[in-house]
Amino acid sequence: AQSVTQLGSHVSVSEGALVLLRCNYSSSVPPYLFWYVQYPNQGLQLLLKYTSAATLVKGINGFEAEFKKSETSFHLTKPSAHMSDAAEYFCAVRGTGNQFYFGTGTSLTVIP
Amino acid sequence: KAGVTQTPRYLIKTRGQQVTLSCSPISGHRSVSWYQQTPGQGLQFLFEYFSETQRNKGNFPGRFSGRQFSNSRSEMNVSTLELGDSALYLCASSLGPGGMGNEQFFGPGTRLTVL
Repeated sequence: AQSVTQLGSHVSVSEGALVLLRCNYSSSVPPYLFWYVQYPNQGLQLLLKYTSAATLVKGINGFEAEFKKSETSFHLTKPSAHMSDAAEYFCAVRGTGNQFYFGTGTSLTVIP
Repeated sequence: KAGVTQTPRYLIKTRGQQVTLSCSPISGHRSVSWYQQTPGQGLQFLFEYFSETQRNKGNFPGRFSGRQFSNSRSEMNVSTLELGDSALYLCASSLGPGGMGNEQFFGPGTRLTVL
């Protein structure tokens, strides 16, 4: 069975500070992992994905995530937060049969 | 390439009515999934269609149903609406189950309000 757990439903950072959003996965097969971002009243937009090619994955808008098998983690980071990063972030794992399992989301607030 | 489109974007219904939502996937995508998003429950998987066949179904009552047409467009229907059905309904398309790294592309959603 596949699932993801996002630690921290709300995260606040100051503008310019490091962003760290946590995601741990559970998967009985090699996982395919994704981070999505959702802005108010919009659908989800793909930030980045892990498909086993490289453990450090770079995405859009300066975000990156590192796959750590030993820790079953896929945390999302950005070195310097920008006001425009304020949004809801979702971690997801793709299971067999094309079904995606999403975490409960982390709301990121950026303080000016 | 055009993205995933969903119609209508906003809908207001009253309890007991039924509603049909539509989703047009990205050209060439054959898989369509539906999700219900609410503040309390987050993203909950409704069902997935691939080549006009329902492949997966989430834990929702039978009032929620869907279908997919030969052009991959999909509709979902909710009958006998309840207040708790108020939510953002998201549609996502992908190439299909063949490539495990294939991501889902989301539409903007349909905001359903049940009064």
